[in-house]
Amino acid sequence: EAGVTQFPSHSVIEKGQTVTLRCDPISGHDNLYWYRRVMGKEIKFLLHFVKESKQDESGMPNNRFLAERTGGTYSTLKVQPAELEDSGVYFCASSQVWGTEAFFGQGTRLTVV
Amino acid sequence: GQQLNQSPQSMFIQEGEDVSMNCTSSSIFNTWLWYKQEPGEGPVLLIALYKAGELTSNGRLTAQFGITRKDSFLNISASIPSDVGIYFCAGRYTGANSKLTFGKGITLSVRP
Repeated sequence: EAGVTQFPSHSVIEKGQTVTLRCDPISGHDNLYWYRRVMGKEIKFLLHFVKESKQDESGMPNNRFLAERTGGTYSTLKVQPAELEDSGVYFCASSQVWGTEAFFGQGTRLTVV
Repeated sequence: GQQLNQSPQSMFIQEGEDVSMNCTSSSIFNTWLWYKQEPGEGPVLLIALYKAGELTSNGRLTAQFGITRKDSFLNISASIPSDVGIYFCAGRYTGANSKLTFGKGITLSVRP
């Protein structure tokens, strides 16, 4: 069975551009999470989907970030316009049922120059 | 907000040695988790702890959920080169499936 898959693995964009990150969770997993790690810091929660609904988006930094999960399958995280401080590794994680721990994807390393 | 403290940032040990990592918080957590991240990969769950005082082993790894619910430790015994990586502690306060709070991670290097 495929794990959590993220695309792209790396992205380098200029300040002011738009970038869209994609996450394909493990098939059948209703819970989908986005986290971000800025270099040398902790991994920080961004938001949590249950199917297509946003359960908790308390970690979203500002309105330049937009997450969607249409149809409750894959999710996208769009940053528009990107700023230098958005650089970091963006992780997606998914879990199946209540009480099970989530599996993480390999991450997307975003560099804004 | 809730914060988890992990230090030092890096640890260097000799192959065969044991190593212990601590994670502390000023807040109570109901779940403690330990993850390992290798280059180019996402964090992989090593051990999950759900009850204060719980001591759990996974091979050469042992972790404990502190009795105050504000700390946890991870021990790695008889280290080997493939133990190299970043070790993160994570805590969860509210219900199952809610968000995790992570520490900054400890980068472990093992000298052969």
